[in-house]
Amino acid sequence: GENVEQHPSTLSVQEGDSAVIKCTYSDSASNYFPWYKQELGKRPQLIIDIRSNVGEKKDQRIAVTLNKTAKHFSLHITETQPEDSAVYFCAAMDSNYQLIWGAGTKLIIKP
Amino acid sequence: EAGVAQSPRYKIIEKRQSVAFWCNPISGHATLYWYQQILGQGPKLLIQFQNNGVVDDSQLPKDRFSAERLKGVDSTLKIQPAKLEDSAVYLCASSLGAVAAEKLFFGSGTQLSVL
Repeated sequence: GENVEQHPSTLSVQEGDSAVIKCTYSDSASNYFPWYKQELGKRPQLIIDIRSNVGEKKDQRIAVTLNKTAKHFSLHITETQPEDSAVYFCAAMDSNYQLIWGAGTKLIIKP
Repeated sequence: EAGVAQSPRYKIIEKRQSVAFWCNPISGHATLYWYQQILGQGPKLLIQFQNNGVVDDSQLPKDRFSAERLKGVDSTLKIQPAKLEDSAVYLCASSLGAVAAEKLFFGSGTQLSVL
């Protein structure tokens, strides 16, 4: 079955710098890859998603890139701000249309 | 648009007791999910409903967990009897789509502590 690995587990960046979180997946048939943001004590919220027929998608300061050949996808956050501090989860949809989640990355924005 | 409603927000019980959680999804969302999120981990799907039918309950510990969505709207998740390892946040989510787990909207969750 599908397996999703996410790195790093913790990422600390200076405010204003960029942050990159990477995920790899095992099932080449996976075709949908969302990213969720979960602030401390709050619910996960979808921030961006990408389908396998697209290589890159951007929404203001966040972007996701997908490399189907290498089976990895990444979340890019530019010009980081304090409100970007959260845990970010990647996921991949398996052949049963279920999301397989990564373990999460805690992003810390240093002032 | 109202979000996914869950209650209670917190629950503390002793092991071997029973507990129930309630979820009301976004109006019109056909699919409802119950996830278990252990501290420091990603959400783990327990059960998925499409309307009032079960789509996937392969990871639901059926000897102690049960869930229902009788009228295809709100849902309850029950644990009986609870174990220490059931301590987690129980998240309910809903989506407009009928099958694929796309664009999930999560509730605030119920934080369960089993002592």
